[in-house]
Amino acid sequence: GDSVTQMEGPVTLSEEAFLTINCTYTATGYPSLFWYVQYPGEGLQLLLKATKADDKGSNKGFEATYRKETTSFHLEKGSVQVSDSAVYFCAGGSQGNLIFGKGTKLSVKP
Amino acid sequence: NAGVTQTPKFRVLKTGQSMTLLCAQDMNHEYMYWYRQDPGMGLRLIHYSVGEGTTAKGEVPDGYNVSRLKKQNFLLGLESAAPSQTSVYFCASRQTSGNTGELFFGEGSRLTVL
Repeated sequence: GDSVTQMEGPVTLSEEAFLTINCTYTATGYPSLFWYVQYPGEGLQLLLKATKADDKGSNKGFEATYRKETTSFHLEKGSVQVSDSAVYFCAGGSQGNLIFGKGTKLSVKP
Repeated sequence: NAGVTQTPKFRVLKTGQSMTLLCAQDMNHEYMYWYRQDPGMGLRLIHYSVGEGTTAKGEVPDGYNVSRLKKQNFLLGLESAAPSQTSVYFCASRQTSGNTGELFFGEGSRLTVL
């Protein structure tokens, strides 16, 4: 079945540092891929998505590129802010239901 | 602009008690889901529904039942609560049947079973 594996945290960075959170997937078809973000005490909300190979999703300075050859969808941001502190989930699916990674907690220090 | 609303937000139960979590969405979405979130486990799908009157099992359905009598509501029931069901429960909905549609989440319901 489909699966999503993402880098486990926690990740602690200083403000303005570069962020990468790795995500790889296995799927029988060609899944859409998503990054969701969960701020403390809230539900998950969509950060960005890509629906086919070589697509790049972007939002709020975050980017991720759908790499079919490496089955990856790594999340990157060039300069993180304290307000980016949250838990990030990679998700994907090719059969209607999304499979979520275990989440990566990011803490950004001033 | 409510989106997905879950009630209650917090609940404490004793082992063996029953309860129902209610999820309501006002976006006319066809698909609705119940997930549980546990530390180090991410989100795991309990049950889901592809339309009014339908339900299906997800990854971890044991100990839970669901009903979708109205399109806008998806109920999650625990008939006899166990400490292993202590978790944060999230409801979500989406419109499309394919794999491109965005999931919209509620704010979560924190359940503690003593």
